[in-house]
Amino acid sequence: GAGVSQTPSNKVTEKGKYVELRCDPISGHTALYWYRQSLGQGPEFLIYFQGTGAADDSGLPNDRFFAVRPEGSVSTLKIQRTERGDSAVYLCASSIGTGFAGELFFGEGSRLTVL
Amino acid sequence: AQSVAQPEDQVNVAEGNPLTVKCTYSVSGNPYLFWYVQYPNRGLQFLLKYITGDNLVKGSYGFEAEFNKSQTSFHLKKPSALVSDSALYFCAPRGGGATNKLIFGTGTLLAVQP
Repeated sequence: GAGVSQTPSNKVTEKGKYVELRCDPISGHTALYWYRQSLGQGPEFLIYFQGTGAADDSGLPNDRFFAVRPEGSVSTLKIQRTERGDSAVYLCASSIGTGFAGELFFGEGSRLTVL
Repeated sequence: AQSVAQPEDQVNVAEGNPLTVKCTYSVSGNPYLFWYVQYPNRGLQFLLKYITGDNLVKGSYGFEAEFNKSQTSFHLKKPSALVSDSALYFCAPRGGGATNKLIFGTGTLLAVQP
């Protein structure tokens, strides 16, 4: 497919467990973003990558959250010791280049439910 | 610091009537402004953007938006609403130094009645 792909689409886990969410961006897009959207809210910025490096991780809520993009393509968002408050839809987006004018293309999200 | 406000949680309009969804923003430096739409259980879709040039920008599905620098607004408009336009709309500015992130508003639910 030509769009941003996110897996899994749904994840149910228990409090305290470890979770990984994967994002496969549009081929050739150098910038990749993670957002979190809670029910009734707008997307909340978490982190963005230019290539392999995290250019801005100011939105990560605490040190339980970590993201990597080792080869500058696929990215994984990792959440340790999950809490019920982590339940949300996690959105990934990519954009071509790193300029300010480019629009973001979003995947359909990974819905995380922490019981 | 960047911020954005969408003052209306919901906008109701009859099919065929014009619609406006309001957005005001605060960024340092030149603003780059975006509108996205989210249909139920779907990802966010890009509608249009203002970067520079004409204050009236046109986008997908017949939508347009007017950039007003003095009022720091970027309202979304459409001359004639369709039932299929019913969705959640987000305004998202980008700007303020080196950061490349979009900051999203809380969203406005557009409900178009037949």
